[in-house]
Amino acid sequence: DQQVKQNSPSLSVQEGRISILNCDYTNSMFDYFLWYKKYPAEGPTFLISISSIKDKNEDGRFTVFLNKSAKHLSLHIVPSQPGDSAVYFCAAPAGGSGNTGKLIFGQGTTLQVKP
Amino acid sequence: EAGVAQSPRYKIIEKRQSVAFWCNPISGHATLYWYQQILGQGPKLLIQFQNNGVVDDSQLPKDRFSAERLKGVDSTLKIQPAKLEDSAVYLCASSRPGGETQYFGPGTRLLVL
Repeated sequence: DQQVKQNSPSLSVQEGRISILNCDYTNSMFDYFLWYKKYPAEGPTFLISISSIKDKNEDGRFTVFLNKSAKHLSLHIVPSQPGDSAVYFCAAPAGGSGNTGKLIFGQGTTLQVKP
Repeated sequence: EAGVAQSPRYKIIEKRQSVAFWCNPISGHATLYWYQQILGQGPKLLIQFQNNGVVDDSQLPKDRFSAERLKGVDSTLKIQPAKLEDSAVYLCASSRPGGETQYFGPGTRLLVL
């Protein structure tokens, strides 16, 4: 049972344009979400998070949007840079916010930003 | 602040052999996690420790995998005997008490031949 889904395995965008990475979830108990970025041969690095009490969280070039009714979130990167090329994972704590339990990860989306 | 340390970074073994991985979490992080990431998939939790006690090992194949966290700091994950399907990246992560954000180490890439 895949509770967090990233249906696009890959995405290619031109440098300077917007990258939009999507994530869907099925468990309505999830109330906190995280995005991680992973370069080859490195571990996932925390990028940005959002609580279900918000519908948007912004950090520099990165913005995450949450649509609770659709059980959908998206990560926007503007402007995209070649250094953003990596695998991006969407994740949710299985026990919800404030819980140090396991993270449920999506399958990941490989972003390629072309110069 | 030093990050999560893991060793070795790479390991190649033959099936039925044993292997062990080591993890040192971020100082002060009471919770430690071991995840398995198979190529093309997201990480999946194997075991979670709170200090030196096991919180969740429901996804750990206990017939071949074992883990310990003596003294509530470092942790080791062992596979004995290894199978071909154990080829994966083994990621260690840690988090602050009450913190949802987990910080990952670089991982150990295991290839079982």
